[in-house]
This record gives sequence, C-alpha cells and structure tokens, in this order.
Amino acid sequence: EAGVAQSPRYKIIEKRQSVAFWCNPISGHATLYWYQQILGQGPKLLIQFQNNGVVDDSQLPKDRFSAERLKGVDSTLKIQPAKLEDSAVYLCASSGTSPQGTDTQYFGPGTRLTVL
Amino acid sequence: AQSVAQPEDQVNVAEGNPLTVKCTYSVSGNPYLFWYVQYPNRGLQFLLKYITGDNLVKGSYGFEAEFNKSQTSFHLKKPSALVSDSALYFCAVSPFSGGYNKLIFGAGTRLAVHP
Repeated sequence: EAGVAQSPRYKIIEKRQSVAFWCNPISGHATLYWYQQILGQGPKLLIQFQNNGVVDDSQLPKDRFSAERLKGVDSTLKIQPAKLEDSAVYLCASSGTSPQGTDTQYFGPGTRLTVL
Repeated sequence: AQSVAQPEDQVNVAEGNPLTVKCTYSVSGNPYLFWYVQYPNRGLQFLLKYITGDNLVKGSYGFEAEFNKSQTSFHLKKPSALVSDSALYFCAVSPFSGGYNKLIFGAGTRLAVHP
C-alpha cells in the first residue's frame, strides 16, 4: 500500500513570497490533516479535512495560510505572504473515518520550508 | 487546556538495556493515546496506540506502552534497546471531541542508544 505522498521535499523562499505544498493521501482515506512542525517542537494541527470539507481550521493563520482539498483526494496548502516564523516542516497525514475516531493517522515525509 | 508532556528532552541508554520514554497528558474524558517515531528527514512513523482494554499495548519493533489512568501517563518501553532505535519519539493524544480526532503532540524525546 502506497503511503502519503508530499511534494516538494524542500523549499527555500524569501520572506513575503508565496509557496504551495501538495499532498496525496493514502487511497481510500477520507480524512486529511496538515500539521506544522517547528524545530524542537511537536507537530501542531493547522487544518483537518473530511472528504472535501473543513472540520477544524482553528489554528490556521487565515490571514496568510489557505488550504483546499478539491474532489476529496489531493490537498494543497498555501502560504502568502511568507514570514520568517513560517520556517518549519509541513506534514500531511491521512486516516480513515471510523465513527469512534480510533483510526490511526499516517504521515507523509514532510516538506521542509526555509524562509530567508 | 489540553496538553501532552514529555519531561525528558533526551534519554540515553546502552544497547541491550531496557528503555523507558515518559509521557503524561492533561485531557478531559477518555482520550486515545499514540506513540510515533521520527527518523532524520523522515515523517512520523506510527508505533502503537491505546484505545481501550488492556493497559499494556504492544506495537512495532518490539515497543510497548503502559497506560495508567490514575497517573494520566502513557510511557513507552522496550525490554532491550538497539542502536537502530535511536530517533525522536513523540507521544500524542486524541481528545476525540465532537467526532474529530486531531492529535495533540508532546515536544518529543530524543532517544540515544549507545553501543
């Protein structure tokens, strides 16, 4: 079974530029997550989709971050404009959707963003 | 506030010795508990989870974890450490409130296993 795919793996941009990350979840997984992992910290949820609807974006900085999941499969996370503090690894994860919420989240390799 | 604490930034252990990586949590209700491992330049790999039932959970690569409700802890253990176990370990909790199962992570513990 193929895992969660992410691209690019690395990205370096200047502050105030824009950047986009792509994620392809495990086939059949209805729920998709984007996490931000700042160096030395644990991942923090930015946004959660169930199919193509947003179920939690409470920690997404909506003035500069946006995400979409068209057709309920692939997802794109965008930052515009980027700030120095956005330097982090952006992790995508996916899971099934059991009513009990017991599904395991499986993570992609991440995209390491450096903002100069 | 919901939180996960991993009190040790780093754990050092000799190969062949038992290891313990500690985790405590502060979440209302009956959360689900997870351990993930992260190798350099890799994403998080799932090790094990506790949902309900037996307090001792067995997972991948010989790891196990013990759930203690009264102490709100979920410590990761392995009877005999390998050098290849050296990595960054994250404890996470899923409050599962409102039907949504986001993960709240601790800051991570770096495990160093010495030959």
